[in-house]
Amino acid sequence: ILNVEQSPQSLHVQEGDSTNFTCSFPSSNFYALHWYRWETAKSPEALFVMTLNGDEKKKGRISATLNTKEGYSYLYIKGSQPEDSATYLCASQGSNYKLTFGKGTLLTVNP
Amino acid sequence: NAGVTQTPKFQVLKTGQSMTLQCAQDMNHEYMSWYRQDPGMGLRLIHYSVGAGITDQGEVPNGYNVSRSTTEDFPLRLLSAAPSQTSVYFCASRRRGQVDEAFFGQGTRLTVV
Repeated sequence: ILNVEQSPQSLHVQEGDSTNFTCSFPSSNFYALHWYRWETAKSPEALFVMTLNGDEKKKGRISATLNTKEGYSYLYIKGSQPEDSATYLCASQGSNYKLTFGKGTLLTVNP
Repeated sequence: NAGVTQTPKFQVLKTGQSMTLQCAQDMNHEYMSWYRQDPGMGLRLIHYSVGAGITDQGEVPNGYNVSRSTTEDFPLRLLSAAPSQTSVYFCASRRRGQVDEAFFGQGTRLTVV
């Protein structure tokens, strides 16, 4: 994998559903994996920064896992709420501090 | 703390005009960067800086210049605006550490006609 890839591109879920999406990144020259939440008309805001293989982080109903050997990370949202509707971005950080972003997953939670 | 302050919020330029997008942060972050966001393309890195006096090109640098004379400020200059530069621009800053998150400005929506 040469680029950071996110899937799915978009998804619609019902309020109360749990959901997850994937970020795939190059496993070579890897330093850290970032997840950001980006609401419409706002700026991206950080959710998690993870570095170690097997890392798992949690913030409220949102959690993320990291597999650096195979180059993927999952973001999970438990019991989705309408306010979770946003674009979720992941970014791979290399040794030169640069962040390479995926195109994002657009989540819409219907009430 | 104001965080990352980016101005202007909206701008319309005519082809060939020049302008500067301002970005300032008050968190003493070493690393600053400019991204553009286009539909279906995600955030693409234009230029970045790892400290005052040091800048480097990102993925899409053509048509843009930057400078970093102070830790706080990182302006982006469009030398001769083209319609292809119509986009939303974001400035971001973070500490130069392994696990430090990026903080983004409010964005500038630029239209070149």
